[in-house]
Amino acid sequence: KAGVTQTPRYLIKTRGQQVTLSCSPISGHRSVSWYQQTPGQGLQFLFEYFSETQRNKGNFPGRFSGRQFSNSRSEMNVSTLELGDSALYLCASSLGGQSNTEAFFGQGTRLTVV
Amino acid sequence: GQSLEQPSEVTAVEGAIVQINCTYQTSGFYGLSWYQQHDGGAPTFLSYNALDGLEETGRFSSFLSRSDSYGYLLLQELQMKDSASYFCAVKSARGSARQLTFGSGTQLTVLP
Repeated sequence: KAGVTQTPRYLIKTRGQQVTLSCSPISGHRSVSWYQQTPGQGLQFLFEYFSETQRNKGNFPGRFSGRQFSNSRSEMNVSTLELGDSALYLCASSLGGQSNTEAFFGQGTRLTVV
Repeated sequence: GQSLEQPSEVTAVEGAIVQINCTYQTSGFYGLSWYQQHDGGAPTFLSYNALDGLEETGRFSSFLSRSDSYGYLLLQELQMKDSASYFCAVKSARGSARQLTFGSGTQLTVLP
């Protein structure tokens, strides 16, 4: 069974540009959550998608958006990039049920904004 | 809002036992999870406690006290490969959704 796949693994962008990151969850998983990880800050929750609907959203500006497709693959978009957006972006997939206890993470996309 | 507190760093020697504490503040609490992350790697699931008490999985155990909003991860017979960051995470309800909120992580260094 393939794990969670995130592409690309590394990305360098300049301020003001936009970027789109992709996440393919484990087959059969309907929930995809996105997190931003910076040194010393842990994992900050961005949003969660379940069956193509955003079910939950963290405290990030509107420049951060996402979507989920019918095959459960998800994309995250960041517009008007700022230097502070440099981080490791992780996605996690899970079955999504209320009793579900485990999330499976991808290797992440390391975004550097210069 | 939700917040979690855990120590930023812990150091121990091979073969020893180490305990990583986590206190949390949240509404709609469902359970406490622990994840391990090696440098450059993805976080991997270690354990989940929904009820008070101790859950044991091999060398790792996790404890929860809901009345104290407190939990810990206990690592026994430490090995060098246990050097990693450990995150506690609260699963909480937000409407119909369930959200995982992570602590800032504890960097565990195991010395020979």
